[in-house]
Amino acid sequence: QKEVEQNSGPLSVPEGAIASLNCTYSDRGSQSFFWYRQYSGKSPELIMFIYSNGDKEDGRFTAQLNKASQYVSLLIRDSQPSDSATYLCASRSNDYKLSFGAGTTVTVRA
Amino acid sequence: GAVVSQHPSWVICKSGTSVKIECRSLDFQATTMFWYRQFPKQSLMLMATSNEGSKATYEQGVEKDKFLINHASLTLSTLTVTSAHPEDSSFYICSARDLGTGRWEKLFFGSGTQLSVL
Repeated sequence: QKEVEQNSGPLSVPEGAIASLNCTYSDRGSQSFFWYRQYSGKSPELIMFIYSNGDKEDGRFTAQLNKASQYVSLLIRDSQPSDSATYLCASRSNDYKLSFGAGTTVTVRA
Repeated sequence: GAVVSQHPSWVICKSGTSVKIECRSLDFQATTMFWYRQFPKQSLMLMATSNEGSKATYEQGVEKDKFLINHASLTLSTLTVTSAHPEDSSFYICSARDLGTGRWEKLFFGSGTQLSVL
C-alpha cells in the first residue's frame, strides 16, 4: 500500500471554477502535510502546509486536514490557466522525510 | 528567491560514465539534505538522506555503491551516479531543511537535474 495516495487525474476545470484535490495517507504518525505544485521539467514548489485538523487558507488556496480520516485536501478557488500543473501531496514523518503521492494533473481551461 | 542551488540542470552522458550532481544551500546551513529521483509522470521517490559529516542513509532498493553521496560541508551535498546506464536516466532533485526560525517546516528544493544516459 502506498503511503500517500491522490485522486487520479487528470482534472480539467474551467477558468474561475474551483479545483478540488484529495489525498489520503496511511501513516498515522505523519506530522505534517504539504501541497506542492510542479510544472513540467521543474522542481516542486511549496503551496502550503498544514499540521492541525481543520482548514488553512492562503489566498485562493485552502487546505483541509482530517487526521481521524487520514485525509487532506486542497481547494483552488477562482482557478486560473497559470494554475495548470501537477499537484503533489506529501506527508512528513518524524525524521523529516517526505512521502509524495503520485500527483494530480490539473488543467484550467480558458 | 531560490535558497538551494543545484547543478547541472541537465546532463547527457554515455553509458558507463559517472556523473556528479551538486546541491548547495545558499543562505542557510543544511545538516541534512535529501535526494529524490523522479521518472516521467511519476512522483518523487526518496533515494537517500545525506548527513553532514557522516554516511548517508539509503532507502530500500537504492544501491549505495552506485549512488555515492558526499556531504562534506554544511552547505554542500553531492550525488555521484557511478557507471550510469540508460535506466538511470531520470530527474534528480535535492532538498534541504532550513532550521532557522519560521522556516523549519519548509523543505526547499533544488531546481533539479535531468540526466540522460545514452
